[in-house]
Amino acid sequence: GESVGLHLPTLSVQEGDNSIINCAYSNSASDYFIWYKQESGKGPQFIIDIRSNMDKRQGQRVTVLLNKTVKHLSLQIAATQPGDSAVYFCAENRGGFQKLVFGTGTRLLVSP
Amino acid sequence: DAGVIQSPRHEVTEMGQEVTLRCKPISGHDYLFWYRQTMMRGLELLIYFNNNVPIDDSGMPEDRFSAKMPNASFSTLKIQPSEPRDSAVYFCASRRTPQETQYFGPGTRLLVL
Repeated sequence: GESVGLHLPTLSVQEGDNSIINCAYSNSASDYFIWYKQESGKGPQFIIDIRSNMDKRQGQRVTVLLNKTVKHLSLQIAATQPGDSAVYFCAENRGGFQKLVFGTGTRLLVSP
Repeated sequence: DAGVIQSPRHEVTEMGQEVTLRCKPISGHDYLFWYRQTMMRGLELLIYFNNNVPIDDSGMPEDRFSAKMPNASFSTLKIQPSEPRDSAVYFCASRRTPQETQYFGPGTRLLVL
């Protein structure tokens, strides 16, 4: 029979555009969130994190926004470059638990 | 710091053989996690340790899989006997506390023929 893999949502942008990748989380008790970038053939790489007592955090070319009211997390990448092409995962740490819960990921494709 | 170290990076074996994957966490990290990643199922947590003690092994697929952490700087994930459906990329990750970032190793790409 035909095999079916995970269907990753894909965001296609042009080089130089700003990218926004979204993630919905399910547990209102989650208190810590991380964004990871995974390039082909590599392990997930930490990009930026945010704690639940914050609603925004900025890094180099990246910004994470946290909206606890609607349980939504977003990653904004400014001036997207071809090297940003990867799968991006959000992860939440549910309060009182020791392990992260990962989203299924979003594929970002950047065209030159 | 060298980061999380995994070996081997690639492993090709035949069905029925024993496979041992190795991981060295970042020094000072009290939590160690083993994940499996496939196209079909994405990233799955298999087991994690805190201070060398297994805390949650509910993700281990079956008795053919076992994991140990004899000391704070070394862990193994063993598959015996291996089957073709075990083919995947296996990641080890570590973190200092639940409120800090978790870092992944480069992974071991396993192919069981």
